[in-house]
Amino acid sequence: AQKITQTQPGMFVQEKEAVTLDCTYDTSDPSYGLFWYKQPSSGEMIFLIYQGSYDQQNATEGRYSLNFQKARKSANLVISASQLGDSAMYFCAMREAFGNEKLTFGTGTRLTIIP
Amino acid sequence: DVKVTQSSRYLVKRTGEKVFLECVQDMDHENMFWYRQDPGLGLRLIYFSYDVKMKEKGDIPEGYSVSREKKERFSLILESASTNQTSMYLCASRESRQGSGEQYFGPGTRLTVT
Repeated sequence: AQKITQTQPGMFVQEKEAVTLDCTYDTSDPSYGLFWYKQPSSGEMIFLIYQGSYDQQNATEGRYSLNFQKARKSANLVISASQLGDSAMYFCAMREAFGNEKLTFGTGTRLTIIP
Repeated sequence: DVKVTQSSRYLVKRTGEKVFLECVQDMDHENMFWYRQDPGLGLRLIYFSYDVKMKEKGDIPEGYSVSREKKERFSLILESASTNQTSMYLCASRESRQGSGEQYFGPGTRLTVT
């Protein structure tokens, strides 16, 4: 079974609208962390936001927030007031406590912001 | 700011050649990682290292080896390059600590094997 599933290969969103990128995960480890990374066309991976499995509140970083629904094993990224510069690939990833520090990545969602 | 650098952005090699991809980080991180990225597959872990001279296989180690002689440098070696190793290769580093401990990535090396 896929450990990280991103079901949206591509999305088109109007500038200034909010956008939600979906991510579901699968683990039996009680302690884990969830990450979102952005990869612009230049290729570098940029860390956006982190949510720990024991965190009580949803993580937020500026225009980014993580809608963490533990029972559903869901960790969706929400970008408010989208900008043209948000056009990129977005990857969800998980680190399990017993996973030897490695990240398991989803297949990514290509987000395109339309002016 | 953490900086992770990779020796080349683009590389073209011939089948059967030995290929070295170099990665250097400047933040004294214990953990370093090599991933390959292919369309529709996301990033897959090849090898990682949690200390000098220590290494562990990731999900797809076949056809690759690694070397970590110094803490700041982690090398990926393709002993005999093949066309199915044409890919984007990403190096990352991370502190070994609790908390988020996000991985910091280099700019990537796009390798083409002809």
